[in-house]
Amino acid sequence: QVQLQESGPGLVKPSETLSLTCTVSGGSISSCCYYWGWIRQPPGKGLEWIGSLFYSGTTYSNPSLKSRVTISVDTSKDQFSLKLSSVTAADTAMYYCARSIADDYNFNYWGQGILVTVSS
Amino acid sequence: EIVLTQSPATLSLSPGERATLSCRASQSVRNYLTWYQQKPGQTPRLLIYDTSNRATGIPARFSGSGSGTDFTLTISSLEPEDFAVYYCQQRSHWLTFGGGTKVEIK
Repeated sequence: QVQLQESGPGLVKPSETLSLTCTVSGGSISSCCYYWGWIRQPPGKGLEWIGSLFYSGTTYSNPSLKSRVTISVDTSKDQFSLKLSSVTAADTAMYYCARSIADDYNFNYWGQGILVTVSS
Repeated sequence: EIVLTQSPATLSLSPGERATLSCRASQSVRNYLTWYQQKPGQTPRLLIYDTSNRATGIPARFSGSGSGTDFTLTISSLEPEDFAVYYCQQRSHWLTFGGGTKVEIK
């Protein structure tokens, strides 16, 4: 059973960079042929896709966030990471990492989420 | 960006009733439409993918239909555990989510 766990600071100052890591257990991040994703949810609001990593290492980002998003992978640790630069209060949200069921964007494994607050 | 509009925003029903949730796309998403359920304080749960395929372990009372721009999630007979927020998501062009429909107890 694949499990995902987000980690990182719960508080980030405005204009700084938000950095989160998702650690995968029960499966390899390099296993064919899954998408690994970052999705966020502001308090009381809906879901927003931030970006994804394909098992091959290719990354994709939401065009609305693309200039601020960096997704990277450390296959030796079965981890993938998110960096979101120049954050504002609008970036305050629960951040989830997730894995797809196949080579698609249907996410059936989710981490528990980590609440990140942007505040000085 | 493909915009997904879910309706109604809130659906008030009693256990045992049929729930019909709508998701409309601003342009065709072919059959690449997914439904998730989210309960308070929990992570989203994959229900239906590619319009009509139930995910593993999802009860048969959940069904999906539609094509192109208009999609429906139907819960044939609401169980107490079905009261939650439901989101649709498309993967035809990047990935976007609808705003959600809350199914609440009447």
